[in-house]
Amino acid sequence: GENVEQHPSTLSVQEGDSAVIKCTYSDSASNYFPWYKQELGKGPQLIIDIRSNVGEKKDQRIAVTLNKTAKHFSLHITETQPEDSAVYFCAASIRDTGRRALTFGSGTRLQVQP
Amino acid sequence: DARVTQTPRHKVTEMGQEVTMRCQPILGHNTVFWYRQTMMQGLELLAYFRNRAPLDDSGMPKDRFSAEMPDATLATLKIQPSEPRDSAVYFCASAPISVGELFFGEGSRLTVL
Repeated sequence: GENVEQHPSTLSVQEGDSAVIKCTYSDSASNYFPWYKQELGKGPQLIIDIRSNVGEKKDQRIAVTLNKTAKHFSLHITETQPEDSAVYFCAASIRDTGRRALTFGSGTRLQVQP
Repeated sequence: DARVTQTPRHKVTEMGQEVTMRCQPILGHNTVFWYRQTMMQGLELLAYFRNRAPLDDSGMPKDRFSAEMPDATLATLKIQPSEPRDSAVYFCASAPISVGELFFGEGSRLTVL
């Protein structure tokens, strides 16, 4: 099965700085890589995703990059704000086939210091 | 607005008792997932269903856990008998068949004493 590793487990940055979270996956058949944000007491919520035919995707202050050869992908948050403080999960799966559900990384707790 | 509804939000029970958690997926979503979240293991997939049929329950301890979808509006996860190591937050999520995004409920926090 798929194995997703995520680093770092905790990350503390000053407001306005950038934050980078990295993940690696094991199954070369994986083609869908979403990122979820979990706020305290809530369920995870999708913030951005990328498919394997794309190398980078941006949405305002958030960007995700994918290196299929190396089997790793990263989340970049620029100009961090206190409301970005949360736990972030990366995940991998084979999209749309129903062959395998999302496998999540272990999570990164991001703390943005005002 | 459409959302996944889970009950109960919190449950405290004693070891050996039966626990049933319920999930109402978003109307029109035909794929339903159960995940368990603990500090040590992160988000683990327990089971998932498509069109009410189980596709994968390999993550679930079969001797004590069972998951069902009696109808399209209800998914259940049952633990019998419960053990302290089952203490965790259990999330239900649903998705439309052709879209990758999972919509999570707010979770059921289970404490087994």
